[in-house]
Amino acid sequence: NAGVMQNPRHLVRRRGQEARLRCSPMKGHSHVYWYRQLPEEGLKFMVYLQKENIIDESGMPKERFSAEFPKEGPSILRIQQVVRGDSAAYFCASSQEPYSNQPQHFGDGTRLSIL
Amino acid sequence: AQSVTQPDIHITVSEGASLELRCNYSYGATPYLFWYVQSPGQGLQLLLKYFSGDTLVQGIKGFEAEFKRSQSSFNLRKPSVHWSDAAEYFCAVYQTGANNLFFGTGTRLTVIP
Repeated sequence: NAGVMQNPRHLVRRRGQEARLRCSPMKGHSHVYWYRQLPEEGLKFMVYLQKENIIDESGMPKERFSAEFPKEGPSILRIQQVVRGDSAAYFCASSQEPYSNQPQHFGDGTRLSIL
Repeated sequence: AQSVTQPDIHITVSEGASLELRCNYSYGATPYLFWYVQSPGQGLQLLLKYFSGDTLVQGIKGFEAEFKRSQSSFNLRKPSVHWSDAAEYFCAVYQTGANNLFFGTGTRLTVIP
């Protein structure tokens, strides 16, 4: 499967724990985008990364959230000290070109539930 | 600021009937426009896109969309709906120079026999 791979598909955490979400972009894609989908809402942009660089994190909450895309390995979205409001589906997308008018290809998402 | 409006939260159609899902955008220049479909528990699949040229765009699964600049609309259509089309549909806009897509809130399609 050469698509965008996200894991885990489902993640349950208790309040105060850490959540780590992983995303492997499509083969040949070096641009990764994270979106969050709250219940009954559309996707909202969080962060855009290239290898080893955060390009745009204007949609990311200032506290507890961080993202990285190392030289080797998947992109990681990390949420520290999770709260109930973090419950959402988190989607990763990748594209071949930056500032992309090329279609962004999406993974199947990680559904995060906070107990 | 750009925005995307999908005025219909939920639409129900009979199998075999025609379908039109509405999308309006607010953006100064000619936008790049997309329609995505999301099945329950799944990610988003691109149905079609408009960048320039012919304003009637053909997509996968028998869908098409028409860009109407005068109405700032990009409505999605299908002449005959199948039960497997039941899903959530999202319209999205890309703004030149931005790093992300802007999504509408989605339209949930229910197909009845």
